[in-house]
Amino acid sequence: GQQVMQIPQYQHVQEGEDFTTYCNSSTTLSNIQWYKQRPGGHPVFLIQLVKSGEVKKQKRLTFQFGEAKKNSSLHITATQTTDVGTYFCAGPGGYGQNFVFGPGTRLSVLP
Amino acid sequence: DAGITQSPRHKVTETGTPVTLRCHQTENHRYMYWYRQDPGHGLRLIHYSYGVKDTDKGEVSDGYSVSRSKTEDFLLTLESATSSQTSVYFCAISERLAGGSNTGELFFGEGSRLTVL
Repeated sequence: GQQVMQIPQYQHVQEGEDFTTYCNSSTTLSNIQWYKQRPGGHPVFLIQLVKSGEVKKQKRLTFQFGEAKKNSSLHITATQTTDVGTYFCAGPGGYGQNFVFGPGTRLSVLP
Repeated sequence: DAGITQSPRHKVTETGTPVTLRCHQTENHRYMYWYRQDPGHGLRLIHYSYGVKDTDKGEVSDGYSVSRSKTEDFLLTLESATSSQTSVYFCAISERLAGGSNTGELFFGEGSRLTVL
């Protein structure tokens, strides 16, 4: 079945440093979504990418969808302590075409 | 936040006992899902529903059953809980099939932490 991988698994950064997490799929994706989960919280939808090569920005967050639609990245500029949490990507192709989630990248930001 | 309520939020039970987790939504979304979250595995789909009495299996459905008798309620049942089912369970809803050709975003509940001793 389809697999979605994310790297790194963990990332510790100093506040103000940049952060990037990468998502790779074993199959071509029609779209990809990103979610953020704060410690002890529930996943919250961030964004959806649909087009090949698409780039979307949300303040300090930049999301990219690869040209081949098999990978994606999330880049955070000048991290803040409010960015702490686990970032998940999800792509369709699971049971009943439901999303398959990556294992997530846990971000820690040291003040 | 979307109107999704999970109950109970925390439960400790013993191996072999039945457990039912409830998800209640006030958004009138068609699709409802049960996921489990374990370290290193992200979120894995257990079962999902695309309407009243319409349910289907997900990636990790063994040992779980579901029912949806009303649009707003989606129940997850562990008939005989095992220690491997210790996990955090999230209910989610969406207007359109998450992952489908016209995909919708998922709205998650607060989660139910289940410990099976």
